[in-house]
Amino acid sequence: GAGVSQSPSNKVTEKGKDVELRCDPISGHTALYWYRQSLGQGLEFLIYFQGNSAPDKSGLPSDRFSAERTGGSVSTLTIQRTQQEDSAVYLCASSLGGTGGSGELFFGEGSRLTVL
Amino acid sequence: AQSVSQHNHHVILSEAASLELGCNYSYGGTVNLFWYVQYPGQHLQLLLKYFSGDPLVKGIKGFEAEFIKSKFSFNLRKPSVQWSDTAEYFCAVRGGSYIPTFGRGTSLIVHP
Repeated sequence: GAGVSQSPSNKVTEKGKDVELRCDPISGHTALYWYRQSLGQGLEFLIYFQGNSAPDKSGLPSDRFSAERTGGSVSTLTIQRTQQEDSAVYLCASSLGGTGGSGELFFGEGSRLTVL
Repeated sequence: AQSVSQHNHHVILSEAASLELGCNYSYGGTVNLFWYVQYPGQHLQLLLKYFSGDPLVKGIKGFEAEFIKSKFSFNLRKPSVQWSDTAEYFCAVRGGSYIPTFGRGTSLIVHP
């Protein structure tokens, strides 16, 4: 499809396990964002990729969180040694990025992570 | 650093009532402002945005928002809500970086 695609849509894991969440942005969008949405907490910024520049990792809550973006397209968010407080919906968004575009973010459906 | 405050976390209205959702931001420079909406079971999508020019911005589905620089506000309004407006509404600000900061969201329930 033409939208932002995320997988898996739902993930249940045990505390201490590692998880990988995938995001496939809209073709041609150079900017990619990861946010986390917890109940009643709004959207918490995690990490931002823009083209080939070094990512802005200022929102990652701990060193258990990491993300990469291969070939300027697909991104993977990895959470190591998951904790119960990591339970949330992880949202990916893309945009045209930089000084171009309208600034509008296009969001995926999200990956709901539940850590038991 | 930029921040966003949405004052109303839960709003319940009857159809045809008027709506105003508050949004205040904190940032000293030029800002871009957004309202996003998340309908039940759907992904977040843009409702309207302000970049420059006319501070009264009109969006989809009859929504509008007014940027008041002196009050650091960007309140969302609709004169007559419909049941289909039931959704979660998020205000966002983008200041010195390309990273928008979102508010906590307002849950709107419209009774038919």
